[in-house]
Amino acid sequence: DAGVTQSPTHLIKTRGQQVTLRCSPKSGHDTVSWYQQALGQGPQFIFQYYEEEERQRGNFPDRFSGHQFPNYSSELNVNALLLGDSALYLCASRPQGGPGIAGELFFGEGSRLTVL
Amino acid sequence: KQEVTQIPAALSVPEGENLVLNCSFTDSAIYNLQWFRQDPGKGLTSLLLIQSSQREQTSGRLNASLDKSSGRSTLYIAASQPGDSATYLCAVSSVFGNEKLTFGTGTRLTIIP
Repeated sequence: DAGVTQSPTHLIKTRGQQVTLRCSPKSGHDTVSWYQQALGQGPQFIFQYYEEEERQRGNFPDRFSGHQFPNYSSELNVNALLLGDSALYLCASRPQGGPGIAGELFFGEGSRLTVL
Repeated sequence: KQEVTQIPAALSVPEGENLVLNCSFTDSAIYNLQWFRQDPGKGLTSLLLIQSSQREQTSGRLNASLDKSSGRSTLYIAASQPGDSATYLCAVSSVFGNEKLTFGTGTRLTIIP
């Protein structure tokens, strides 16, 4: 049983560019969340998707957007990249039943974004 | 605004020792608390999940306790091994319906062989 998978694992962009990161949740999971983890910090919540809609959002600008597909996979898009967007971007999924259902959050290995 | 603090930021202990990692949070209105392990440059691995109605959870050599009223949790690791070296993060989820996790900055644990 595959866990949460993310792609790409590493990528380098320059300021002003746009990036798309992808996530496939664990089998049987339907809720996907995205987190940003700067070096030496704990992950920060970006947003959560359920039933193809953004359900909750953290304190991130509109440059950060996302999408969830009918197969529950998700994308994170970041426009107009800044140097400060360099971080490990983590995707997490939760078992079916939607937000608020008790259960562990399972994380992928992350996508390491470097902005030059 | 919920804030999560983990002290110490780093800890080194000899192999075989028992150790305790601490986590505190400012708002006691939590739904659950989860402990994670993170190896350098890797994702997070869930270790233990404690619901707000529970006092503790155990998995193998790991035991996590929760005192919601005082805003504290501890992760106890028995008979530490070099493979336990990693960063340990705790995270809290607010009341039912809001599963956004608020993380601490972690404790970097090194087990000395």
